[in-house]
Amino acid sequence: GQQVMQIPQYQHVQEGEDFTTYCNSSTTLSNIQWYKQRPGGHPVFLIQLVKSGEVKKQKRLTFQFGEAKKNSSLHITATQTTDVGTYFCAGLSGGGADGLTFGKGTHLIIQP
Amino acid sequence: NAGVMQNPRHLVRRRGQEARLRCSPMKGHSHVYWYRQLPEEGLKFMVYLQKENIIDESGMPKERFSAEFPKEGPSILRIQQVVRGDSAAYFCASSQGGAVQPQHFGDGTRLSIL
Repeated sequence: GQQVMQIPQYQHVQEGEDFTTYCNSSTTLSNIQWYKQRPGGHPVFLIQLVKSGEVKKQKRLTFQFGEAKKNSSLHITATQTTDVGTYFCAGLSGGGADGLTFGKGTHLIIQP
Repeated sequence: NAGVMQNPRHLVRRRGQEARLRCSPMKGHSHVYWYRQLPEEGLKFMVYLQKENIIDESGMPKERFSAEFPKEGPSILRIQQVVRGDSAAYFCASSQGGAVQPQHFGDGTRLSIL
């Protein structure tokens, strides 16, 4: 079945440093979604990427979808303490009948 | 505008009992998804339902687990004869359309098995 791998599992950064998490799928994806989950909270939708090579920005966050639609990345510039949490990518490979396949997430820990 | 409502937030059961988890989707959403999350793990897809229909249950264990989304009322995830390994957080999400649409998650139900 489809597998979505995410690295790194944990990332410690100093406040103000940049952060990147990478997502790789074993199959071509029709779309990829990114979610953020704060400790003790629930996943919150951040963005969806659909097109090959697509790049989207949300303030300090930049999301990319690979040309082959099998990988994606999330980059945060100048991290702040509010960025703490776990960032998940979630891929969809079918025509929409299947559920999303989530990566295991990257836990972002920020040291002030 | 109420979001996805899950209850109970915490549920404690003894081995062998039944657990019933409820989920009311966001207003206007007719697609419901159930996920299971273990500590420090990602979300594992269990089942995708529309009103009165199971669309995809490929992530559901074959035994003891069932889900429904009746015409009226919330979606229910039911676990019969619970075992220690069922302890986890169970999240429900809803969307307007299929999985191509963003999913809105509830606060989850933390299930603990004694």
